[in-house]
Amino acid sequence: DSGVTQTPKHLITATGQRVTLRCSPRSGDLSVYWYQQSLDQGLQFLIQYYNGEERAKGNILERFSAQQFPDLHSELNLSSLELGDSALYFCASSSRSQGNTGELFFGEGSRLTVL
Amino acid sequence: GENVEQHPSTLSVQEGDSAVIKCTYSDSASNYFPWYKQELGKRPQLIIDIRSNVGEKKDQRIAVTLNKTAKHFSLHITETQPEDSAVYFCAASLFNQGGKLIFGQGTELSVKP
Repeated sequence: DSGVTQTPKHLITATGQRVTLRCSPRSGDLSVYWYQQSLDQGLQFLIQYYNGEERAKGNILERFSAQQFPDLHSELNLSSLELGDSALYFCASSSRSQGNTGELFFGEGSRLTVL
Repeated sequence: GENVEQHPSTLSVQEGDSAVIKCTYSDSASNYFPWYKQELGKRPQLIIDIRSNVGEKKDQRIAVTLNKTAKHFSLHITETQPEDSAVYFCAASLFNQGGKLIFGQGTELSVKP
C-alpha cells in the first residue's frame, strides 16, 4: 500500500459526459501528480500541483482540468469525454520535506472506460 | 521540454540471463533518473534511481548506469527470475525542484523459466 488513495477504481461512462477522479496523497506529501496510461502506452504526464498551486503542466487536454484543495487532496475533471479518453489515470504524490528523494508514490489508478 | 526515449519496447530472456534496457533523454538540465517497475494490473513502483553526480548505482541484482555526456542511462538486471517479468519505465526529472517525472514508453520484460 503506497498510502495514495484514488477513487473510483473503475468508471464506465458515455461519450460527451463529464467525470471527476479523486486522489488523496500520502500523509504529509505536498505534491500531487496526474498521469494517463492508455493501452500499450507509457505514463503520460498531465499536471502537477504543489501545496494547492499548479506547478507544471504536461500534455493535458483543454477538456481536462484539475485542482488541489487546502486539505491537499486533488481532483481531475474530464469533460466532453471521447472514446480515446479511455485509460488508466494514476495519481502520485511526493514530499519535498522528507529528504526530497524524488520518489513518486502511485495510487492504484482509476480505470475510465468511455463507451 | 524533456523527452525520454526507451528501448527495446519488449524484451524476452531466459531465466538466469541478464537484461538491459536503455533510455536517452533530451534535456541536459535533468539530474534525476529513476526506474519504475509495473507488474500487470498494479501501480508503478520505484526500484532504483540515480542522480547526475553518480555514474553507476547497484542494488543486489539491479544496477543503473548514467552517461551524462551522451545523455543516456541504462538498467541492468542480472540473474533474471520469472518474478522480474513486468513493464519497466525509465524517467527523468529535475531533482530538488519537485520536478515532474517524464517517463519513457516502457519495456515489457518477459523472463522465461
